[in-house]
Amino acid sequence: AQKVTQAQTEISVVEKEDVTLDCVYETRDTTYYLFWYKQPPSGELVFLIRRNSFDEQNEISGRYSWNFQKSTSSFNFTITASQVVDSAVYFCALSEPSYGNTPLVFGKGTRLSVIA
Amino acid sequence: DVKVTQSSRYLVKRTGEKVFLECVQDMDHENMFWYRQDPGLGLRLIYFSYDVKMKEKGDIPEGYSVSREKKERFSLILESASTNQTSMYLCASSFRRHGSYEQYFGPGTRLTVT
Repeated sequence: AQKVTQAQTEISVVEKEDVTLDCVYETRDTTYYLFWYKQPPSGELVFLIRRNSFDEQNEISGRYSWNFQKSTSSFNFTITASQVVDSAVYFCALSEPSYGNTPLVFGKGTRLSVIA
Repeated sequence: DVKVTQSSRYLVKRTGEKVFLECVQDMDHENMFWYRQDPGLGLRLIYFSYDVKMKEKGDIPEGYSVSREKKERFSLILESASTNQTSMYLCASSFRRHGSYEQYFGPGTRLTVT
């Protein structure tokens, strides 16, 4: 069955530290997509990235980077030189489109607090 | 930019009231979703819809119903609100592209039932 696990419930770091948010998934299929979302205190979930199962290249976008490893079924998210504005709840999610138009499966989220 | 709007950011209702939460998207998305978010439980899917007048139960449909009469609008209905339905409600919409889709979320409605 499809499942997303974010083992870290809460993380607290001091500004300018690097921080990695873990995401481990289970899937029935060889074709799937992984996502990360950010939920700031305002409440709205903001889409950050989508990665398909055939593309294992790491992705970097400014201070954000993502490490996708099929061998360990992980899709980890690293924030470099964290800032207070990075404080939010971060969700990892999975979709399996070959099983039809099914909703995303979300992890329970990791609350990141960046302290000035 | 995709825009998903929800009718209220904050709502206070009494036990037993019928409550309507409205969601509108402006990107002609086929799919729409309702979630509730509670501390420690993450996002839980209540109902979703793939097309007008279509609906599918999610993980926790009990106590809720939905309506989708127009493609851009998806309503969540609490037939008789109870205190255990106090929660943050999030609406989302999506399209299908290259076999995958990302969901776009509204700002949420924080519902308190007293």
